Amino acid sequence: QVQLKESGPGLVQPSQTLSLTCTVSGFSLTSNSVHWVRQPPGKGLEWVGAIWSGGSTDYNSALKSRLSISRDTSKSQVFLKMNSLQTEDTAIYFCTRTGSLYWYFDFWGPGTMVTVSS
Amino acid sequence: EIVLTQSPTTMAASPGEKVTLTCRASSSVSYMHWYQQKSGASPKLWIYDTSNRASGVPNRFSGSGSGTSYSLTISSMETEDAATYYCQQWSSNPPTFGSGTKLEIK
Repeated sequence: QVQLKESGPGLVQPSQTLSLTCTVSGFSLTSNSVHWVRQPPGKGLEWVGAIWSGGSTDYNSALKSRLSISRDTSKSQVFLKMNSLQTEDTAIYFCTRTGSLYWYFDFWGPGTMVTVSS
Repeated sequence: EIVLTQSPTTMAASPGEKVTLTCRASSSVSYMHWYQQKSGASPKLWIYDTSNRASGVPNRFSGSGSGTSYSLTISSMETEDAATYYCQQWSSNPPTFGSGTKLEIK
């Protein structure tokens, strides 16, 4: 069955770099696109960026200068790197997927909480 | 970017009551999708392409709308339906979500 699972450090110091991994199973990264969506505590959902099934990437314009998304198809993993972290980046980070012919997020990981604090 | 405005922000409904949640877009969109999120859990796809129920979603849920106005309706509220519901569009980049409607049971 389709599964996604996020992993990461939990706590990051201000101005440092966040590195997250999304490990997927039950589908291929060359057939589906993987997205990152974040949710600050008690707030709504914000699309962060995506790596498409063909390997190209798209980023939220507000985060683009600090963000990089990549993948290792052999390991079924997608990576998010965000630098210059600030307290406003504190959020639950979810990975989720879309298909080649649809534009909604059909499966989600459980999320990983990232706290930016010294 | 397209801004989605959900109303109401919070509401409470009694078991058996009909509930309608609304999502208005700042520009016309082709489809609207809805997610249900319970506390401490990840969002679940609930309604896709405006009116299609995702797998396992009870048929008391329905979606409708077009252009800039969309809605999610529960024909008869049940305790398990208490959650926050988010709408989402991707008719234009970037994909955006509404700020959510928190639905509580009376």
